[in-house]
Amino acid sequence: GENVEQHPSTLSVQEGDSAVIKCTYSDSASNYFPWYKQELGKGPQLIIDIRSNVGEKKDQRIAVTLNKTAKHFSLHITETQPEDSAVYFCAARTISNFGNEKLTFGTGTRLTIIP
Amino acid sequence: DTEVTQTPKHLVMGMTNKKSLKCEQHMGHRAMYWYKQKAKKPPELMFVYSYEKLSINESVPSRFSPECPNSSLLNLHLHALQPEDSALYLCASSHHTERRGPMNTGELFFGEGSRLTVL
Repeated sequence: GENVEQHPSTLSVQEGDSAVIKCTYSDSASNYFPWYKQELGKGPQLIIDIRSNVGEKKDQRIAVTLNKTAKHFSLHITETQPEDSAVYFCAARTISNFGNEKLTFGTGTRLTIIP
Repeated sequence: DTEVTQTPKHLVMGMTNKKSLKCEQHMGHRAMYWYKQKAKKPPELMFVYSYEKLSINESVPSRFSPECPNSSLLNLHLHALQPEDSALYLCASSHHTERRGPMNTGELFFGEGSRLTVL
């Protein structure tokens, strides 16, 4: 099955600086890579996603890059703000043996923005 | 309406109790999911329903019993749980692959979760 690794597990960044979180995946058939933000006591919320036929996608201060050859993708947050503090999960979607879609999550990164 | 609503938000139960977690969405999604999340860990898939039929069971113990009464509702029935089953249980939904157009990636929408404590 799919295996998604995520680094770093914790990241502290000065407010206004950039933050980068990296993930690798194992299944070359994975075709969709979302990033979720989870605040304390809440469910994960999608912040950006990218399909396997695209190399980069940007939405205001957030961008995601995908390198299919190397099987890795990254989240970039620029001009970080205190409200960016949360746990971030990357994920990869694959098709299971029975044709069902399955989302496998990375282990998470706790991002802390220092005012 | 882009919400997945879960009830209750908190549940405390004994090992001999029977309880249920409920999930509701009105986005027309025909794929619904149950995930389990332990503290400081990623969500782990438990069950997937496609068009109200169970399509994935990730070898979950039988003390967890899912049910999808209709296209908007998903239940998780709990019986004879163990303390190690204490966790945040997340419901999610998405458009089924057959219903997606070129602009629809099949985003997974999560509820806020039900925090379960088993004594």
